[in-house]
Amino acid sequence: ETGVTQTPRHLVMGMTNKKSLKCEQHLGHNAMYWYKQSAKKPLELMFVYNFKEQTENNSVPSRFSPECPNSSHLFLHLHTLQPEDSALYLCASSLIWTSERDNEQFFGPGTRLTVL
Amino acid sequence: LAKTTQPISMDSYEGQEVNITCSHNNIATNDYITWYQQFPSQGPRFIIQGYKTKVTNEVASLFIPADRKSSTLSLPRVSLSDTAVYYCLVAPRGFQKLVFGTGTRLLVSP
Repeated sequence: ETGVTQTPRHLVMGMTNKKSLKCEQHLGHNAMYWYKQSAKKPLELMFVYNFKEQTENNSVPSRFSPECPNSSHLFLHLHTLQPEDSALYLCASSLIWTSERDNEQFFGPGTRLTVL
Repeated sequence: LAKTTQPISMDSYEGQEVNITCSHNNIATNDYITWYQQFPSQGPRFIIQGYKTKVTNEVASLFIPADRKSSTLSLPRVSLSDTAVYYCLVAPRGFQKLVFGTGTRLLVSP
């Protein structure tokens, strides 16, 4: 239990569906992240939010739309996805601008997404 | 960011000490070395971080030579539950855009 929860844990959707992934952190952190991990590929950073503001979009297609209503919640809205978007989507959080272990990100268990 | 190179895979047996070495020849003065562990279908978990010499915690030790061009993660007396992928990352303190390479897949057998 890392203090970062993600729902749902598994999701199957068609290419015309719209769905959302939810992430919540109970650690009092001020930064949140979305990562994508495809089969046999390294983790890829998608988005970074600091104090609810998006600070990084790593050239992610617009069919992925993030939302961060507050420092504890992060969503990833999905629409018209492609089969190649099937992957494990991981949320993480961290406490930035502190003195110790600044590079420590706490990851959730992920959502296993399958696009048919 | 400094490029890191680590073995693709390693095999060990329960009770043995495992040392995973990471090369980072282009490490910058303000870079820190961080190791993460990832089990299948889970997110990575921070293990240890260091800048120079030796760092030890309840899980592992991290050895960093004076030139800092490499580092070694040492796992004492591994168990089956240590089977995972281990990632070496090099980045300045506070850097958020972490780059996870392919990591080292450690398989611990009985």
